[in-house]
Amino acid sequence: AQTVTQSQPEMSVQEAETVTLSCTYDTSESDYYLFWYKQPPSRQMILVIRQEAYKQQNATENRFSVNFQKAAKSFSLKISDSQLGDAAMYFCAYKGTGNQFYFGTGTSLTVIP
Amino acid sequence: DSGVTQTPKHLITATGQRVTLRCSPRSGDLSVYWYQQSLDQGLQFLIQYYNGEERAKGNILERFSAQQFPDLHSELNLSSLELGDSALYFCASSALPGKAQHFGDGTRLSIL
Repeated sequence: AQTVTQSQPEMSVQEAETVTLSCTYDTSESDYYLFWYKQPPSRQMILVIRQEAYKQQNATENRFSVNFQKAAKSFSLKISDSQLGDAAMYFCAYKGTGNQFYFGTGTSLTVIP
Repeated sequence: DSGVTQTPKHLITATGQRVTLRCSPRSGDLSVYWYQQSLDQGLQFLIQYYNGEERAKGNILERFSAQQFPDLHSELNLSSLELGDSALYFCASSALPGKAQHFGDGTRLSIL
């Protein structure tokens, strides 16, 4: 089975600064999708960004961007100009050719005013 | 608003009981996924349906079952409840396999 590893249980960042959250995954597939989800204290799960493995260009959504390194099986999330509202648990997720999504254990991000 | 509706939002019951959680996917989405999130834990995949058929099964206990109906809404049935079943249960839907999942707000189940 595929595994998704988030090695940083907790991270913190000063407001307006940039932070990078790490995610690695293990797979033998060549075609797959990667996602970052945000879970604020309200416990909602909110899609932040999506990357298709066949696309070399890194996905970007406003202040959120990814660094996708397919050979290294790495998919990090960069948050620029961090805001207080970015404080949340962030989950990395993988979906291959099967129907199941695999989630990492999450990184809790604190934004310091 | 993700467009995925889960009811009820909160459920409190006792050990040994049976409950049904309901999910209405986003309009047009054919896939429904169920997840369990225990306190301060990640998401554990339970089961997935696509257009009424079971497509993938994760770490779902035998005491749990689910189905997706012709109108595409889904129900997760939990029986012989134990204290350890207390968790947040999420439903998510997607248009096609591989597309992003959109999550409901979850049902918080508390077993007393």
